[in-house]
Amino acid sequence: GAGVSQTPSNKVTEKGKYVELRCDPISGHTALYWYRQSLGQGPEFLIYFQGTGAADDSGLPNDRFFAVRPEGSVSTLKIQRTERGDSAVYLCASSPGGRNTEAFFGQGTRLTVV
Amino acid sequence: AQRVTQPEKLLSVFKGAPVELKCNYSYSGSPELFWYVQYSRQRLQLLLRHISRESIKGFTADLNKGETSFHLKKPFAQEEDSAMYYCALSNFNKFYFGSGTKLNVKP
Repeated sequence: GAGVSQTPSNKVTEKGKYVELRCDPISGHTALYWYRQSLGQGPEFLIYFQGTGAADDSGLPNDRFFAVRPEGSVSTLKIQRTERGDSAVYLCASSPGGRNTEAFFGQGTRLTVV
Repeated sequence: AQRVTQPEKLLSVFKGAPVELKCNYSYSGSPELFWYVQYSRQRLQLLLRHISRESIKGFTADLNKGETSFHLKKPFAQEEDSAMYYCALSNFNKFYFGSGTKLNVKP
């Protein structure tokens, strides 16, 4: 079994452009998370899906950020009108759900906005 | 509000020395606490969780509710322990991470 897969591994985009980051969770995992990690910081929560629905999107910094998980498996994080401050590593994780369950992380997508 | 604090950004020890990575948390309920580790060029992975009361790779961590701490300890550090260590608190499936401590074990 493959782990959590994120594509692309690196993305360089120009300020103002739109980007999509993809996450393939572990098969059967109902919970999916997006985190953002800036240099020297720990992962910062963005959004959590349980199945197809966003159970908690309180970490999305503003309305330029949006995420979907239409079939309860693959998820896409979408960022509109990118800004240089959006540059970070975006991490995806999945888990079977429930209390005390481990979150399995992908390798991340390093986004650079120039 | 939930918060996880790791006061040390960098901890350097010699091989064979004891190591303690500090973690303090603030949480109003009954916390679920974890330690995650990230080795060079690898993904973030679970090291241990407080509910299991287990020892992984010689590391242990005890939850101290009175001091709101979950420090990670190992009696004899090895060079392969060099990595970034993150303390995390889980609240209804949402994980809050500390800023991490880089452990450098010198030969």
